Amino acid sequence: EIVLTQSPATLSLSPGERATLSCRASQSPSGYLGWYQQKPGQAPRLLIWDASNRATGVPARFSGSGSGTDFTLTISSLEPEDFAVYYCQQRWNWPLTFGGGTNVEMK
Amino acid sequence: EVQLVESGGGLVQPGGSLRLSCVASGFSFSTSWMSWVRQAPGKGPESLGNIKGDGSEIYYLDSLKGRFTISRDNAKNSVYLQMDSLRGEDTAIYYCARDDRYGGGWYHAYWGQGTLVTVSS
Repeated sequence: EIVLTQSPATLSLSPGERATLSCRASQSPSGYLGWYQQKPGQAPRLLIWDASNRATGVPARFSGSGSGTDFTLTISSLEPEDFAVYYCQQRWNWPLTFGGGTNVEMK
Repeated sequence: EVQLVESGGGLVQPGGSLRLSCVASGFSFSTSWMSWVRQAPGKGPESLGNIKGDGSEIYYLDSLKGRFTISRDNAKNSVYLQMDSLRGEDTAIYYCARDDRYGGGWYHAYWGQGTLVTVSS
């Protein structure tokens, strides 16, 4: 099972700032890593697939990068609606696993 | 518009059973892989298993085998999760999700609103 470790657990930023979220895998998911956004009381929403591809309708301020075991989600300039919890997920092998999440909160 | 609506959650005693349902609309259900995902309070999501559009393939999280069963009824546009021998650690919000193919693999592209299962005496 691939274990995903996300850091930091909490990121306190202001609107307009840049957010950089990290996801480290216990073994390489071969680039097959996604990112989800979850707001309170809502289901997760797919943002990024296969490390760097934005899902339909996702704003360009969201970008993903990385390879091997280290991946990054970057939000270039935080909008008020971006404050949420973000999870990475690998789909390289079964079971599909998620990280523990990074809470992006407003400073 | 893709819609997934779960139901069947509630309070159940340890050792009890529960059957969750998810009704889908707005897409071709019979050709879609469907998953069940749960999220315990304050934790990340956990993919429990999925089922192919025609029901011919089903995959489970190893730790659940024998207790949870996924099935579907394409005539009713529904997917089910039968949960037996429930334990406290099964307490979570349970989501159904449609899996879409991205880049040759599958992600949980659409999610329902979830149904809460609480296992407690």
